[in-house]
Amino acid sequence: KAGVTQTPRYLIKTRGQQVTLSCSPISGHRSVSWYQQTPGQGLQFLFEYFSETQRNKGNFPGRFSGRQFSNSRSEMNVSTLELGDSALYLCASSLEGSASTDTQYFGPGTRLTVL
Amino acid sequence: DQQVKQNSPSLSVQEGRISILNCDYTNSMFDYFLWYKKYPAEGPTFLISISSIKDKNEDGRFTVFLNKSAKHLSLHIVPSQPGDSAVYFCAASRFSGNTPLVFGKGTRLSVIA
Repeated sequence: KAGVTQTPRYLIKTRGQQVTLSCSPISGHRSVSWYQQTPGQGLQFLFEYFSETQRNKGNFPGRFSGRQFSNSRSEMNVSTLELGDSALYLCASSLEGSASTDTQYFGPGTRLTVL
Repeated sequence: DQQVKQNSPSLSVQEGRISILNCDYTNSMFDYFLWYKKYPAEGPTFLISISSIKDKNEDGRFTVFLNKSAKHLSLHIVPSQPGDSAVYFCAASRFSGNTPLVFGKGTRLSVIA
Protein backbone atom coordinates (compact mmCIF):
# COMPACT_ATOMS: atom_id res chain seq x y z
CA LYS A 1 0.00 0.00 0.00
CA ALA A 2 1.37 3.41 -0.93
CA GLY A 3 2.04 5.76 1.97
CA VAL A 4 0.95 9.34 2.47
CA THR A 5 2.39 11.57 -0.22
CA GLN A 6 2.87 15.31 -0.06
CA THR A 7 3.70 17.70 -2.85
CA PRO A 8 5.77 19.66 -3.32
CA ARG A 9 8.53 18.55 -0.96
CA TYR A 10 10.23 21.93 -0.94
CA LEU A 11 8.92 25.39 -1.62
CA ILE A 12 10.39 28.87 -1.46
CA LYS A 13 8.06 31.86 -1.41
CA THR A 14 8.32 35.54 -0.54
CA ARG A 15 6.37 37.47 2.04
CA GLY A 16 2.86 38.37 0.97
CA GLN A 17 2.50 35.51 -1.48
CA GLN A 18 0.13 32.63 -1.04
CA VAL A 19 0.87 28.91 -1.23
CA THR A 20 -1.06 25.67 -1.69
CA LEU A 21 0.22 22.35 -0.38
CA SER A 22 -1.20 18.98 -1.36
CA CYS A 23 -1.61 15.71 0.50
CA SER A 24 -2.72 12.33 -0.81
CA PRO A 25 -3.72 9.99 2.02
CA ILE A 26 -3.35 6.24 2.15
CA SER A 27 -6.04 4.57 0.08
CA GLY A 28 -9.16 4.03 2.17
CA HIS A 29 -8.28 6.64 4.77
CA ARG A 30 -10.96 9.28 5.22
CA SER A 31 -9.34 11.49 7.85
CA VAL A 32 -6.56 13.91 6.95
CA SER A 33 -4.85 16.14 9.51
CA TRP A 34 -2.33 18.89 8.97
CA TYR A 35 0.44 19.93 11.34
CA GLN A 36 3.05 22.67 11.36
CA GLN A 37 6.47 21.76 12.71
CA THR A 38 8.90 24.46 13.74
CA PRO A 39 12.06 24.09 15.85
CA GLY A 40 10.66 26.19 18.66
CA GLN A 41 7.12 24.83 18.82
CA GLY A 42 7.27 21.21 17.80
CA LEU A 43 4.25 19.81 15.97
CA GLN A 44 1.19 22.03 16.14
CA PHE A 45 -2.20 20.90 14.91
CA LEU A 46 -3.68 22.99 12.12
CA PHE A 47 -6.91 21.22 11.15
CA GLU A 48 -8.50 17.88 10.39
CA TYR A 49 -10.78 16.98 7.54
CA PHE A 50 -13.09 13.99 7.42
CA SER A 51 -15.38 13.19 4.51
CA GLU A 52 -14.79 16.64 2.98
CA THR A 53 -15.73 18.47 6.20
CA GLN A 54 -13.45 20.28 8.58
CA ARG A 55 -13.98 18.43 11.84
CA ASN A 56 -11.33 19.98 14.07
CA LYS A 57 -9.35 23.19 13.94
CA GLY A 58 -6.24 24.32 15.76
CA ASN A 59 -5.33 27.77 16.98
CA PHE A 60 -4.03 29.32 13.77
CA PRO A 61 -5.10 32.54 12.04
CA GLY A 62 -7.60 32.56 9.22
CA ARG A 63 -4.77 32.87 6.69
CA PHE A 64 -4.45 29.11 7.07
CA SER A 65 -7.22 27.17 5.37
CA GLY A 66 -7.77 23.79 3.85
CA ARG A 67 -10.15 21.55 2.06
CA GLN A 68 -10.70 17.91 1.29
CA PHE A 69 -11.93 16.42 -1.94
CA SER A 70 -14.26 13.49 -2.48
CA ASN A 71 -11.28 11.17 -3.04
CA SER A 72 -9.95 12.22 0.42
CA ARG A 73 -7.04 14.16 -1.05
CA SER A 74 -6.50 17.37 0.84
CA GLU A 75 -4.97 20.75 0.22
CA MET A 76 -3.98 23.47 2.61
CA ASN A 77 -3.55 27.08 1.67
CA VAL A 78 -1.66 29.85 3.39
CA SER A 79 -2.36 33.37 2.20
CA THR A 80 -0.32 36.53 2.77
CA LEU A 81 2.75 34.60 3.83
CA GLU A 82 4.83 35.83 6.75
CA LEU A 83 8.41 34.97 7.65
CA GLY A 84 7.13 33.02 10.65
CA ASP A 85 5.25 30.65 8.36
CA SER A 86 8.55 29.03 7.41
CA ALA A 87 8.15 25.49 8.67
CA LEU A 88 7.74 21.84 7.81
CA TYR A 89 4.08 21.14 7.04
CA LEU A 90 3.09 17.57 7.76
CA CYS A 91 0.00 15.77 6.63
CA ALA A 92 -1.27 12.64 8.38
CA SER A 93 -4.02 10.26 7.38
CA SER A 94 -6.01 7.66 9.26
CA LEU A 95 -9.10 5.56 8.69
CA GLU A 96 -11.59 7.43 10.85
CA GLY A 97 -9.50 9.93 12.82
CA SER A 98 -9.83 8.35 16.24
CA ALA A 99 -6.53 8.49 18.15
CA SER A 100 -7.18 5.30 20.08
CA THR A 101 -8.38 3.04 17.29
CA ASP A 102 -6.58 4.43 14.26
CA THR A 103 -2.92 4.95 13.67
CA GLN A 104 -2.04 8.25 12.07
CA TYR A 105 0.38 7.83 9.20
CA PHE A 106 2.44 10.86 8.34
CA GLY A 107 3.77 11.98 5.00
CA PRO A 108 7.34 13.25 4.62
CA GLY A 109 6.21 16.86 4.78
CA THR A 110 6.58 19.99 2.67
CA ARG A 111 9.41 22.30 3.72
CA LEU A 112 8.20 25.88 3.17
CA THR A 113 10.69 28.73 3.31
CA VAL A 114 9.38 32.29 3.28
CA LEU A 115 11.92 34.97 2.31
CA ASP B 1 0.11 27.25 27.23
CA GLN B 2 1.78 23.96 26.41
CA GLN B 3 -0.37 21.01 27.36
CA VAL B 4 2.29 18.40 26.57
CA LYS B 5 5.84 19.10 27.63
CA GLN B 6 9.08 17.36 26.81
CA ASN B 7 11.58 19.26 28.89
CA SER B 8 14.73 17.62 27.55
CA PRO B 9 15.50 18.80 24.01
CA SER B 10 18.22 16.20 23.64
CA LEU B 11 19.60 13.03 25.18
CA SER B 12 22.76 11.03 24.49
CA VAL B 13 23.02 7.38 25.47
CA GLN B 14 25.63 4.69 24.90
CA GLU B 15 24.67 1.76 22.71
CA GLY B 16 23.31 -1.11 24.77
CA ARG B 17 22.23 1.11 27.66
CA ILE B 18 18.71 2.22 28.57
CA SER B 19 17.24 5.39 27.06
CA ILE B 20 14.56 7.13 29.11
CA LEU B 21 12.54 9.88 27.49
CA ASN B 22 10.14 11.87 29.63
CA CYS B 23 6.90 13.69 28.98
CA ASP B 24 4.54 15.70 31.21
CA TYR B 25 1.00 16.81 30.49
CA THR B 26 -1.24 19.33 32.13
CA ASN B 27 -4.70 18.60 30.72
CA SER B 28 -6.59 16.13 32.94
CA MET B 29 -8.91 15.31 30.06
CA PHE B 30 -6.14 13.45 28.22
CA ASP B 31 -6.53 9.72 28.63
CA TYR B 32 -4.61 8.33 25.69
CA PHE B 33 -0.92 8.82 25.06
CA LEU B 34 1.36 8.00 22.16
CA TRP B 35 4.99 8.15 21.20
CA TYR B 36 6.16 8.89 17.67
CA LYS B 37 9.66 8.66 16.25
CA LYS B 38 10.94 10.94 13.50
CA TYR B 39 14.00 10.55 11.31
CA PRO B 40 15.31 13.50 9.26
CA ALA B 41 13.48 14.04 5.96
CA GLU B 42 10.72 11.63 6.99
CA GLY B 43 7.38 12.05 8.68
CA PRO B 44 6.85 10.84 12.26
CA THR B 45 6.02 7.15 12.67
CA PHE B 46 3.92 5.67 15.44
CA LEU B 47 5.89 3.77 18.05
CA ILE B 48 3.75 2.82 21.03
CA SER B 49 0.68 3.99 22.93
CA ILE B 50 -0.98 3.65 26.32
CA SER B 51 -4.44 4.39 27.65
CA SER B 52 -5.04 5.75 31.12
CA ILE B 53 -6.49 2.47 32.36
CA LYS B 54 -2.99 1.01 32.22
CA ASP B 55 0.25 2.09 33.78
CA LYS B 56 2.59 0.18 31.50
CA ASN B 57 2.67 -1.04 27.93
CA GLU B 58 5.47 -3.01 26.31
CA ASP B 59 6.38 -3.67 22.70
CA GLY B 60 9.69 -5.36 22.24
CA ARG B 61 12.48 -3.04 23.32
CA PHE B 62 10.03 -0.19 23.96
CA THR B 63 8.05 0.29 27.16
CA VAL B 64 5.86 3.24 28.04
CA PHE B 65 5.04 3.98 31.68
CA LEU B 66 2.19 6.21 32.77
CA ASN B 67 1.88 7.91 36.16
CA LYS B 68 -1.55 9.51 36.13
CA SER B 69 -1.28 11.18 39.51
CA ALA B 70 1.91 12.93 38.42
CA LYS B 71 0.62 13.50 34.88
CA HIS B 72 3.86 12.01 33.64
CA LEU B 73 4.82 9.38 31.13
CA SER B 74 8.12 7.96 30.05
CA LEU B 75 9.43 5.88 27.18
CA HIS B 76 12.12 3.32 27.95
CA ILE B 77 14.23 1.82 25.19
CA VAL B 78 16.28 -1.21 26.21
CA PRO B 79 18.82 -1.90 24.86
CA SER B 80 19.41 1.28 22.87
CA GLN B 81 20.72 0.86 19.35
CA PRO B 82 22.31 3.39 16.96
CA GLY B 83 19.25 3.07 14.70
CA ASP B 84 17.14 4.48 17.54
CA SER B 85 18.80 7.88 17.04
CA ALA B 86 15.88 10.12 16.07
CA VAL B 87 13.55 12.77 17.46
CA TYR B 88 10.88 11.32 19.74
CA PHE B 89 7.55 13.07 20.15
CA CYS B 90 5.12 12.48 22.96
CA ALA B 91 1.45 13.06 22.08
CA ALA B 92 -1.80 13.06 24.01
CA SER B 93 -5.45 12.81 23.12
CA ARG B 94 -8.82 11.53 24.29
CA PHE B 95 -9.51 7.82 24.04
CA SER B 96 -12.99 8.30 22.64
CA GLY B 97 -14.12 10.66 19.92
CA ASN B 98 -12.03 12.36 17.31
CA THR B 99 -9.90 14.67 19.40
CA PRO B 100 -6.72 15.84 17.66
CA LEU B 101 -3.32 14.76 18.91
CA VAL B 102 -1.44 17.32 20.99
CA PHE B 103 2.30 16.92 20.60
CA GLY B 104 5.25 17.90 22.72
CA LYS B 105 8.25 19.66 21.19
CA GLY B 106 10.27 16.47 20.90
CA THR B 107 13.48 15.04 22.34
CA ARG B 108 16.43 14.29 20.09
CA LEU B 109 17.96 10.95 21.09
CA SER B 110 21.51 10.15 20.03
CA VAL B 111 22.70 6.60 20.61
CA ILE B 112 26.47 6.46 20.52
CA ALA B 113 28.16 3.28 19.36
